[in-house]
Amino acid sequence: DAGVTQSPTHLIKTRGQHVTLRCSPISGHKSVSWYQQVLGQGPQFIFQYYEKEERGRGNFPDRFSARQFPNYSSELNVNALLLGDSALYLCAAARGPQEPETQYFGPGTRLLVL
Amino acid sequence: GQSLEQPSEVTAVEGAIVQINCTYQTSGFYGLSWYQQHDGGAPTFLSYNALDGLEETGRFSSFLSRSDSYGYLLLQELQMKDSASYFCAAVIYNQGGKLIFGQGTELSVKP
Repeated sequence: DAGVTQSPTHLIKTRGQHVTLRCSPISGHKSVSWYQQVLGQGPQFIFQYYEKEERGRGNFPDRFSARQFPNYSSELNVNALLLGDSALYLCAAARGPQEPETQYFGPGTRLLVL
Repeated sequence: GQSLEQPSEVTAVEGAIVQINCTYQTSGFYGLSWYQQHDGGAPTFLSYNALDGLEETGRFSSFLSRSDSYGYLLLQELQMKDSASYFCAAVIYNQGGKLIFGQGTELSVKP
């Protein structure tokens, strides 16, 4: 099976723009979570989706939103980008919402906001 | 708040044993996971402790003490390729599951 895939791998945006990041989970993994990792820090939980429903949300502003599609892939949207949104955005997949301990992470999308 | 503390960096020589400690203060704690990350790549799962005690997976072992809110990752027979960042992560259940990560420990393995 292919691992978790994310696109694009790198992205450069300017302040005020919006961005859409995409994630395709491993086959059979229905739970998708998003994390933000700022350089030099640990990943921070943004969202968890399972069966197209939001199951958890971290301490992020409403500029951040996400959705999950019937094929379990997911999109993370960030509006009105700020310089501080520059980070590695990681997608993680698990078989179910109650299995965060065995999440599989994708390679991430590195976002730079200028 | 939810927080995990781990040393920022550790240095060891090839073939040695190193222990990376992690203390946590979280609510809804279910267990402690450990991840390895090379140069900003994908974090890869190493080990998970739901119960107190030691879990061994090859050269890596992980320990958890719930009463002390403490865990550690033990890496044996260190190799150069083990140079990476290591994160402890609390497994939290609250209407779904999530990971709360520590700040990471950068391990440098010297020849």
